[in-house]
Amino acid sequence: QKEVEQDPGPLSVPEGAIVSLNCTYSNSAFQYFMWYRQYSRKGPELLMYTYSSGNKEDGRFTAQVDKSSKYISLFIRDSQPSDSATYLCAMIRTTSGTYKYIFGTGTRLKVLA
Amino acid sequence: NAGVTQTPKFRILKIGQSMTLQCTQDMNHNYMYWYRQDPGMGLKLIYYSVGAGITDKGEVPNGYNVSRSTTEDFPLRLELAAPSQTSVYFCASNPGSTALTWTGELFFGEGSRLTVL
Repeated sequence: QKEVEQDPGPLSVPEGAIVSLNCTYSNSAFQYFMWYRQYSRKGPELLMYTYSSGNKEDGRFTAQVDKSSKYISLFIRDSQPSDSATYLCAMIRTTSGTYKYIFGTGTRLKVLA
Repeated sequence: NAGVTQTPKFRILKIGQSMTLQCTQDMNHNYMYWYRQDPGMGLKLIYYSVGAGITDKGEVPNGYNVSRSTTEDFPLRLELAAPSQTSVYFCASNPGSTALTWTGELFFGEGSRLTVL
């Protein structure tokens, strides 16, 4: 079983739609949860991060973590064509005193104008 | 700030050739990482470094080598290139968990696209 599972998509939505992106994980040792956005032929860039269960909002983006269910989500409100990208969830746990990052496989999102 | 700079952006190698992917960061970050990204496979850690002179293997180190002689530079060496090393390679950095402003964020370069024929 993979430590982190993410639906690869692709996901295609009309402009203005609410988008829900999800990841599940199996290791309760994960302490930090992140979402990265990756445009085509570019490096990933951090979109949201959180350390605890609950919701964190930043503009049109909301990150949600449910540690009891081992489930994280990213919601995008009023989606725009500029949101078209691959979204990677990432989680951090400590191993022998160092931080280990585990990435999901990414969900490709296309927002249609 | 330039952030994390990777060169070259594209390269085609023949089987058995060797090359070095360069990575430089100007943020004085202690931690640096090399990942490879294959379609549908996410990011896989090749090697990482927690400071100058210190490197360690990640999940997929076979066929690669690294060195970290300075804080800024973290080159990745491919010896005897094989078609299985066709991938997009990303270098990333992080200030390290002792930094007052540490958030765990990885700062990525734009990637080096390598094809081995």
